[in-house]
Amino acid sequence: AQSVTQPDIHITVSEGASLELRCNYSYGATPYLFWYVQSPGQGLQLLLKYFSGDTLVQGIKGFEAEFKRSQSSFNLRKPSVHWSDAAEYFCAVGNPRDDKIIFGKGTRLHILP
Amino acid sequence: DTGVSQNPRHKITKRGQNVTFRCDPISEHNRLYWYRQTLGQGPEFLTYFQNEAQLEKSRLLSDRFSAERPKGSFSTLEIQRTEQGDSAMYLCASTSGAQGYTFGSGTRLTVV
Repeated sequence: AQSVTQPDIHITVSEGASLELRCNYSYGATPYLFWYVQSPGQGLQLLLKYFSGDTLVQGIKGFEAEFKRSQSSFNLRKPSVHWSDAAEYFCAVGNPRDDKIIFGKGTRLHILP
Repeated sequence: DTGVSQNPRHKITKRGQNVTFRCDPISEHNRLYWYRQTLGQGPEFLTYFQNEAQLEKSRLLSDRFSAERPKGSFSTLEIQRTEQGDSAMYLCASTSGAQGYTFGSGTRLTVV
């Protein structure tokens, strides 16, 4: 069965600093991988996705993620965060057979001015 | 097409009452999913449909929960005899394949 681990419940960074959010997954084959963002009281917005090919994936809002098969990881990065990036970030793994997506518990990002 | 639509946005109900939520997916999407999200947690898979067929139900979906997708279009999720532990955001998503989901804004249920 697929599963996702986001080891950091909270992350605090200063505005303008770089960011890396960790994600590890468990799946028997090559999964689909996603990062979603959720602002308070809002729905889930897709930041980026990996299905195959280039392991470095570019997303919206200046985010990128790198798929590392050997480490079963799909970490999210941004070179310089903005105050508006404060939100909850969810990593998710998808099953190519039925498109079912399993989410991690999320990492809440706090931005210091 | 305005995306995935969920109604109502909010629902407050007394314990023991039945509630029903509706999800209208993107029209060309054949797969529809229901998730539940509690405060501080990620969305948890409940069930999914391919067209009108319900193909999988999570063990989280007790006998008090039922979902339908008649004619493979909109879907409903009904909770009977609601309990306080049912209070959560109920999310619907649809997809036509390996493109990632489009989520609705959710229905927030509060059981008092």
